[in-house]
Amino acid sequence: QQQVKQSPQSLIVQKGGIPIINCAYENTAFDYFPWYQQFPGKGPALLIAIRPDVSEKKEGRFTISFNKSAKQFSLHIMDSQPGDSATYFCAASIGSGAGSYQLTFGKGTKLSVIP
Amino acid sequence: ETGVTQSPTHLIKTRGQQVTLRCSSQSGHNTVSWYQQALGQGPQFIFQYYREEENGRGNFPPRFSGLQFPNYSSELNVNALELDDSALYLCASSPRPGAIQYFGAGTRLSVL
Repeated sequence: QQQVKQSPQSLIVQKGGIPIINCAYENTAFDYFPWYQQFPGKGPALLIAIRPDVSEKKEGRFTISFNKSAKQFSLHIMDSQPGDSATYFCAASIGSGAGSYQLTFGKGTKLSVIP
Repeated sequence: ETGVTQSPTHLIKTRGQQVTLRCSSQSGHNTVSWYQQALGQGPQFIFQYYREEENGRGNFPPRFSGLQFPNYSSELNVNALELDDSALYLCASSPRPGAIQYFGAGTRLSVL
């Protein structure tokens, strides 16, 4: 059972564009939602994360929008650059109880930013 | 770089064999998590170790086992390898359970 669904699978944007990646979750016990960036041959690296008590969080060019009632969250990359070309994963975890702290990942979105 | 190192980088095994993967966590981190990332998929949680004890396990069979040592480095052992075990195995360390997880570059395992 896939608990975090991510779309689209791949995305191509022009430099300066604003790619948007969406995720939906099923388990209402999730209380931590990070986004990871992975380059070929590297492990995932944390980009930005949000907790469900806020609807939006910005860090530099990266913004997470969170809709608790819809159980959805998304990543926006402002002024995208060719160096942002990577695979992006959303994830979710629970902070306590059974299964706590394990990250449940989406299947990933391969982003290509064309110069 | 995250300071999390994994060895070996690549490994080729045959079905039925056993394999041990190693992870050196970032200095000051006492928690290590292991993930399996199949090609084109997101990482899947295998288990987590905190202060040398297993602290949670994902939906993986018992032939996946682990250890954490007093210096907080860790091993992942897989017995009776199957073709579907071919994947990138990622180790992540954190200063405590629930804190940000920092990933290593992974070990690419191929089972023939």
